[in-house]
Amino acid sequence: NAGVTQTPKFRVLKTGQSMTLLCAQDMNHEYMYWYRQDPGMGLRLIHYSVGEGTTAKGEVPDGYNVSRLKKQNFLLGLESAAPSQTSVYFCASGNNEQFFGPGTRLTVL
Amino acid sequence: DQQVKQNSPSLSVQEGRISILNCDYTNSMFDYFLWYKKYPAEGPTFLISISSIKDKNEDGRFTVFLNKSAKHLSLHIVPSQPGDSAVYFCAAHGYNNNDMRFGAGTRLTVKP
Repeated sequence: NAGVTQTPKFRVLKTGQSMTLLCAQDMNHEYMYWYRQDPGMGLRLIHYSVGEGTTAKGEVPDGYNVSRLKKQNFLLGLESAAPSQTSVYFCASGNNEQFFGPGTRLTVL
Repeated sequence: DQQVKQNSPSLSVQEGRISILNCDYTNSMFDYFLWYKKYPAEGPTFLISISSIKDKNEDGRFTVFLNKSAKHLSLHIVPSQPGDSAVYFCAAHGYNNNDMRFGAGTRLTVKP
C-alpha cells in the first residue's frame, strides 16, 4: 500500500518548456488535489478533482492544467513554464483528511 | 488574502515541556480545522482535527483547542519530544472541503 506517490521528485526546466507531474494513489479516493508550497505562504490549492473525469480550479490555477482520466491518477501540466512556477508541488487525495505525496521540487530557470 | 495565519514562524521548547502552536483564521465559514506535521523532504501528514461544533479534541499527547468567537485555534503537545521537531501547518475548510486553506507553518524545535 504505497499511499500517494509523485513523479518526478526533482526537475529543472528552462522558461517556456513544458512538463507533466504525475500523481498516483492506491486508496480508492474520489478526491484528489494539487498544491504548491512557497516559502512563507503555506500550501495553496492549484486544481482539484472530485472524481474520474472531473477537474476544477483552486486558489492559484493560472499557468497549470490538470487531467483525471483514471480514478487513481491526477496529472498536473505546465504548458509553458515560468520562473514564478519554481516551487514544491504536492499532490493529495482524500476527503476531510487529505493524504499527501512526498512532493516534486521544480526549478524553472 | 491569507485566511489562515500562523504568526509565529518558529518555536523552540525543551523536551518534556509543553509546546503551544497558535493559528488564527478570518473566514467565518470555516467549520473544520486540521493540523498537519511536515518533516523535511516529505509531504505533510495529518495530525489531528476538530469540527466547529467542538471546542476541544484530544489524541494522546496532542490536543487541539478551538475558540470560535476569537477565530483562534491552538495545538498543545504534552510532553514535547525531540521527534516532534517539524513544521506544523494549520488548515481549515468550510462545507465545501475542496477549498482547504493552509497557514504558512510554524517550525517547532524540541531540544533534548
